[in-house]
Amino acid sequence: KAGVTQTPRYLIKTRGQQVTLSCSPISGHRSVSWYQQTPGQGLQFLFEYFSETQRNKGNFPGRFSGRQFSNSRSEMNVSTLELGDSALYLCASSSTDSYGYTFGSGTRLTVV
Amino acid sequence: GNSVTQMEGPVTLSEEAFLTINCTYTATGYPSLFWYVQYPGEGLQLLLKATKADDKGSNKGFEATYRKETTSFHLEKGSVQVSDSAVYFCALSPSGDSWGKLQFGAGTQVVVTP
Repeated sequence: KAGVTQTPRYLIKTRGQQVTLSCSPISGHRSVSWYQQTPGQGLQFLFEYFSETQRNKGNFPGRFSGRQFSNSRSEMNVSTLELGDSALYLCASSSTDSYGYTFGSGTRLTVV
Repeated sequence: GNSVTQMEGPVTLSEEAFLTINCTYTATGYPSLFWYVQYPGEGLQLLLKATKADDKGSNKGFEATYRKETTSFHLEKGSVQVSDSAVYFCALSPSGDSWGKLQFGAGTQVVVTP
């Protein structure tokens, strides 16, 4: 059974650019969540999609957005990148509230 | 709002020692509770979970019991190995439609020496 796949694994971008990260959940999982992990702030929730609808949203500026497709694959986009956006971005998928989330290996974004 | 507090690290132990990582939470309703582990350069792996009060989650020698009266979910392992060196995260999943919004603790780094 394939796990959660995130692409790309590493990314280097320049300030002001935009970036799109991709996440393919485990087959059958309808919930996909995104998290930002930094040494200073730890793991912070970005947003969660369930059946193509954004169901929950964290406290991030509007530069951070996402979407989920009909096959449950998800993308997140960050526009006008800032140095502080450098982080490990983790995607996770789940099928139910008691199942627990399965995480991908993450995308390491570096903004220079 | 919901929050998770776990003991700060690093926790340094000798192989075969007993490990405890304290975790307490604040939440309304009946959240599910999880322990995740992160190895260097990797994502998070689900270690164990408990979905209701008095449930005991266990996996790979690790155990944690959901204590509603003390709002705690402490992680324990009787005899650690060098391969258990990692960062451990306690997390809660709120009840209701917010279950997809995991709240994590700050993480506890565990270092096991031979």
